[in-house]
Amino acid sequence: EDQVTQSPEALRLQEGESSSLNCSYTVSGLRGLFWYRQDPGKGPEFLFTLYSAGEEKEKERLKATLTKKESFLHITAPKPEDSATYLCAVQVGQGAQKLVFGQGTRLTINP
Amino acid sequence: KAGVTQTPRYLIKTRGQQVTLSCSPISGHRSVSWYQQTPGQGLQFLFEYFSETQRNKGNFPGRFSGRQFSNSRSEMNVSTLELGDSALYLCASSYSGGPRETQYFGPGTRLLVL
Repeated sequence: EDQVTQSPEALRLQEGESSSLNCSYTVSGLRGLFWYRQDPGKGPEFLFTLYSAGEEKEKERLKATLTKKESFLHITAPKPEDSATYLCAVQVGQGAQKLVFGQGTRLTINP
Repeated sequence: KAGVTQTPRYLIKTRGQQVTLSCSPISGHRSVSWYQQTPGQGLQFLFEYFSETQRNKGNFPGRFSGRQFSNSRSEMNVSTLELGDSALYLCASSYSGGPRETQYFGPGTRLLVL
C-alpha cells in the first residue's frame, strides 16, 4: 500500500531559526513528489515538484530535496509569515492523477 | 489567470440529506480531481475526471459520486449524508491529468453534517 509519512507533526521555531521537515514514502511507481503549503481554512498552495533522486528546488527561504526514500523541505531563516501546514504528496499510478498525502507538518514561527 | 473556484464555500446539512458541490477548473485545464480533508484522515483522494470520464477512484462508498461537463466544470454529489462526511472538500485541476503534472487546488467547500 502506498504510504507517505511526515515528521515532525508540529514544529515551533523562533524567527531566523532554520530547520528541516521530513517526508518519507513507500510507493510503487512514483511519478513525482509534491510539496504544498496550506493556511487555515484555505486550499493547499503549490510549492515544488520533484521527479528524481538528487533533484533540488528552491524558492525564497524554502529548498526541497529528494532521495529514493524521502524528501526534505529546508527552511532557512524563517519569518512569521512562513507559519502554515506543509503537506507532502506523491503521485502514483499510470496516467491518471492520484495524489497520496502525508498528514502534514504544522509549522509555527514565533517573532 | 483565475484559479480554481468552488461553490458554495460553506454548507450545513442534516443526516440523510444529499449535497452537490461545484468546481470550476483553471481555464484550459481539463482534469479535475476531488479530495476530502478531515483532521483524522488528512487529505484523501476521491476521484478524478477527464473529458467527462471518471478515470480513477479512491476508496469511498458509492454515496460519493461525481461528474464532469463538456466545459470541464465538475460536480460532486454525496447522498444520504452521515455525520462522518463533515469535512473540507477540495477540488484540484491540471492541464490533462498526465504524469508529473501539478494539481492546483481551490479554496474548498466546508461541509458540516448535523
